[in-house]
Amino acid sequence: DAEITQSPRHKITETGRQVTLACHQTWNHNNMFWYRQDLGHGLRLIHYSYGVQDTNKGEVSDGYSVSRSNTEDLPLTLESAASSQTSVYFCASSELTSGNLRTDTQYFGPGTRLTVL
Amino acid sequence: GNSVTQMEGPVTLSEEAFLTINCTYTATGYPSLFWYVQYPGEGLQLLLKATKADDKGSNKGFEATYRKETTSFHLEKGSVQVSDSAVYFCALPLSGGSYIPTFGRGTSLIVHP
Repeated sequence: DAEITQSPRHKITETGRQVTLACHQTWNHNNMFWYRQDLGHGLRLIHYSYGVQDTNKGEVSDGYSVSRSNTEDLPLTLESAASSQTSVYFCASSELTSGNLRTDTQYFGPGTRLTVL
Repeated sequence: GNSVTQMEGPVTLSEEAFLTINCTYTATGYPSLFWYVQYPGEGLQLLLKATKADDKGSNKGFEATYRKETTSFHLEKGSVQVSDSAVYFCALPLSGGSYIPTFGRGTSLIVHP
């Protein structure tokens, strides 16, 4: 069965360190998204991609970067981790279709809980 | 852009009680509407959706009807179970044609035996 996986599931790091969170999907979806989930803020979009070599900033992109070298993976990098980036991070994917084939359903990974000390 | 407002929780119910979680939206045109569910320790997953006005989405005993007159998409279930305890999110595309969804803040449901 197709799936979307994230690793690691839990990560503790120190302020100032670079951290990369992995996201891998076998849906063969063109669209991929990174969100963070915090109490009181709901889900907030960090970055998204509509295909290989395409990346775009979301509403809370400062301090984060992504790259898309293939269809399956969209790693999220925290260039210099800050305590404010302690959160649960979710990756998601969806199909890039249009017209009657369009579904817009997002498929989420299980999340990565990141703690920055 | 489009937006969604859903009732704040937590909603606490006894098993077999009737559930309603309110969701209202503001949108240009008639976008698809979604309910996602997040069980403890997991990512969100699609619960149901409706793609046009008057459509009813249903899954696992949950239902929601796309009401353009009241711009609402309320989630209902006739008899909740303990296993329905989760956070429920209403969602729709951020704008016409966008692949980016906008989510409500989420409503926590707690069902007691």
